[in-house]
Amino acid sequence: QSVLTQPPSVSAAPGQKVTISCSESSSKIGSNYVSWYQQLPGTAPKLLIYDNNKRPSGIPDRFSASKSGTSATLDITGLQTGDEADYHCGTWDSSLSAYVFGTGTKVSVL
Amino acid sequence: EVQLVESGGGLVQPGGSLRLSCAGSGFSFSSSVMSWVRQAPGMGLEWVSSISDGGVNKYYADSVKGRFSISRDNSKKTLFLQINTLRVEDTAAYFCAKGPDRGAFGIWGQGTKVTVSS
Repeated sequence: QSVLTQPPSVSAAPGQKVTISCSESSSKIGSNYVSWYQQLPGTAPKLLIYDNNKRPSGIPDRFSASKSGTSATLDITGLQTGDEADYHCGTWDSSLSAYVFGTGTKVSVL
Repeated sequence: EVQLVESGGGLVQPGGSLRLSCAGSGFSFSSSVMSWVRQAPGMGLEWVSSISDGGVNKYYADSVKGRFSISRDNSKKTLFLQINTLRVEDTAAYFCAKGPDRGAFGIWGQGTKVTVSS
């Protein structure tokens, strides 16, 4: 199965903003809902964003996401040390009947 | 409390088998699509398999097709993954997850580790 491409790492100082991209060459992202997951060190992933840009209850509005064409983007504003984690995008590829995850991005707070 | 709890992982020799289990609670298990996702050490997430709410429709990643089998017992609110002919590259933490629901996994278990080594 193919994967979605993310930058291996991004970093910024506390209070700043980071942007994580999630891109692919076909039409998976454009045709299907994208979700984002936060995985703190040593823990299970946690749903951060669903339906391209919606936040589950309890997720602060510092986390926002969008989708355009064959790419999706996650923004984290007001960066905090507690945001240091791996972030993964994902989408269901209806043409393959398979789920596809991004390659994952490590966020570091300088 | 909404919860998924996996069990059944361990150390297995190449070619061996394991059966992973995932017990759900606090949500409507029998109405939920359920899945397994794995993560090799230091690597990203890899979707493994999904099963429809009634258990009729099953989907597998190419990397596990023919060796892994997903099933469920809704009366016991439990999801299973039968893993056969294990390979070293199957070494990973295996997570069960509720979904995908509109492309999202909303609930995750804590994971169970599978190590394949001689």
